[in-house]
Amino acid sequence: GNSVTQMEGPVTLSEEAFLTINCTYTATGYPSLFWYVQYPGEGLQLLLKATKADDKGSNKGFEATYRKETTSFHLEKGSVQVSDSAVYFCALRGTYKYIFGTGTRLKVLA
Amino acid sequence: DAGVIQSPRHEVTEMGQEVTLRCKPISGHNSLFWYRQTMMRGLELLIYFNNNVPIDDSGMPEDRFSAKMPNASFSTLKIQPSEPRDSAVYFCASSSLGRGVPNTGELFFGEGSRLTVL
Repeated sequence: GNSVTQMEGPVTLSEEAFLTINCTYTATGYPSLFWYVQYPGEGLQLLLKATKADDKGSNKGFEATYRKETTSFHLEKGSVQVSDSAVYFCALRGTYKYIFGTGTRLKVLA
Repeated sequence: DAGVIQSPRHEVTEMGQEVTLRCKPISGHNSLFWYRQTMMRGLELLIYFNNNVPIDDSGMPEDRFSAKMPNASFSTLKIQPSEPRDSAVYFCASSSLGRGVPNTGELFFGEGSRLTVL
């Protein structure tokens, strides 16, 4: 079945550091891929998405590229801010079912 | 436009009591999902409705859990009787999926209902 594996956290970085959160997936067919972010006390909200191979999703300085050959969708940001501290979820969608990774907590220190 | 609205935001109850969680999806969305989030198990899909019809309830833990969607603008998740292990944050999410429906692919989450069963 479909599954998503993402790196375990927590990830602690200093402000302006480079961020990478790894995500790999297993799926039949060609799923859409997503990164969602959850701030404390809130629901998940879409950060970026990619719907086909080689697509790059980007938003708020975050980027992720849909790599079919490595079945990966790693999240990157060149310079993190304290306000980026949150939990990040990688997800895929097949026909209708969204499969979420376990989440990676990011803490950015000033 | 209002997002997905859930109530209550917080519920504390005693073991054995009935709990009802409510959700109003985004107007025009035809798909609704109930998720449960815990530290141990992460985000689990409980049930999925499409056009008010339950399509996949394989994630509903046991018979104590039931969900309904009487119309396109309202859904409930009921736990009867509740147990301490049901303590979690329950999220409702909606989207537009399916043939003939504009498909952004995005799932919109409510702010969640935090349930504590003592």
